[in-house]
Amino acid sequence: GAGVSQSPRYKVTKRGQDVALRCDPISGHVSLYWYRQALGQGPEFLTYFNYEAQQDKSGLPNDRFSAERPEGSISTLTIQRTEQRDSAMYRCASSLEPLGALSSYEQYFGPGTRLTVT
Amino acid sequence: DAKTTQPTSMDCAEGRAANLPCNHSTISGNEYVYWYRQIHSQGPQYIIHGLKNNETNEMASLIITEDRKSSTLILPHATLRDTAVYYCIVRVQSSGNTPLVFGKGTRLSVIA
Repeated sequence: GAGVSQSPRYKVTKRGQDVALRCDPISGHVSLYWYRQALGQGPEFLTYFNYEAQQDKSGLPNDRFSAERPEGSISTLTIQRTEQRDSAMYRCASSLEPLGALSSYEQYFGPGTRLTVT
Repeated sequence: DAKTTQPTSMDCAEGRAANLPCNHSTISGNEYVYWYRQIHSQGPQYIIHGLKNNETNEMASLIITEDRKSSTLILPHATLRDTAVYYCIVRVQSSGNTPLVFGKGTRLSVIA
């Protein structure tokens, strides 16, 4: 079946512009996560949703970053007034509904969006 | 989540077993050990997880010490396609899905 998809795959934007990154999770997956990954580093958590509810946004670097998932499926990560330090790979992941008291153990990652701010 | 410590890099000869260590000395009783890997520029991929018993699946084996302060991921017959960054993660099991906290991982190079 189809995996997690992200678009665009590559985005080059000028400093000060707004960008919107899209994530389409695996059908039926209730949890959706956003991570950011700098070169040579592991992914860094940004925010995540269960269905349409944003559960934790403590990883968002500042108020220029926001995310939504209005219908509990597709999610958009928006960065306003981009800065060069925002350049990174932005990765989305999704997972199934928790099994009772246990977290769903496997997160499925998309190919990422490579954002370059010039 | 508890912090993990892994070697920065390791080499392994093709066909031999790759043993990747991880220290998690501050792990709590309700935290599981997870392993993910990331091949080149792809997204991370789940490998295996465990609480205190040793685990095995089609990809790898996970050996957790009795005091749970360290673990070893074993790839029994490494191939060139196993070259990747391997992340050891400890994660609380709770009533709901939670994000993963990645460290820097171990870069495994499988050599022909």
